[in-house]
Amino acid sequence: IVMTQSPLSLSVTPGEPASISCRSSQSLLHSNGHNCLSWYLQKPGQSPQLLMYLGSNRASGVPDRFRGSASGTDFALEISRVEAEDVGVYYCMQGLQAPVTFGQGTRLDIK
Amino acid sequence: EVQLVESGGGLVQPGGSLRLSCAASGLTFSSSWMTWVRQGPGKGLEWVANINQDGSQRNYVDSLKGRFTISRDNAKNSLDLQMNSLRAEDTAVYYCARSAGWAFDIWGPGTMVTVSS
Repeated sequence: IVMTQSPLSLSVTPGEPASISCRSSQSLLHSNGHNCLSWYLQKPGQSPQLLMYLGSNRASGVPDRFRGSASGTDFALEISRVEAEDVGVYYCMQGLQAPVTFGQGTRLDIK
Repeated sequence: EVQLVESGGGLVQPGGSLRLSCAASGLTFSSSWMTWVRQGPGKGLEWVANINQDGSQRNYVDSLKGRFTISRDNAKNSLDLQMNSLRAEDTAVYYCARSAGWAFDIWGPGTMVTVSS
């Protein structure tokens, strides 16, 4: 399954919203009714951290200004108000079938 | 505290072997699928392999089959990755991660592997 992210980079003013798209080459819908799509943020010099799982569920400790959504094979991660701590590279990932695959990553920086 | 800590990385010559380990603590290791993910210098994330709870199921990315072997020791809360016939393109930071609900919810800090003569 090929995961395609866009844009590959974006620069956002603090307090402004941001949106990252991810498209899968085939459905990620599991028989349980959930999309097997997760989002990760890799902050500079750190290992990736889980932000969202099953498309729209925030991981523990993730602020509610992060929101995940899905429409068919199109997924989105939205940040309602970007903060300085949000800088890094965002990855989507499909976990429906092996091999697990990631998007190319979207680099977010602050204007 | 829940954590994963990788070890065993280093410099190895092309064609050589290396064994990575991941020590788990603060989690029910024996109940978890576990995964290795790598990241080449300046590159994105690449899933390498995963293993189920008792080690009876193992999956690998096609490009690595036959060279890498994932294994686990539940008695020691340890995950391993045996890497043989290493190539320059295997140079990367290798992360172990716990699989939960089709996502990876806990990641280690990673261990660097450099394949170079």
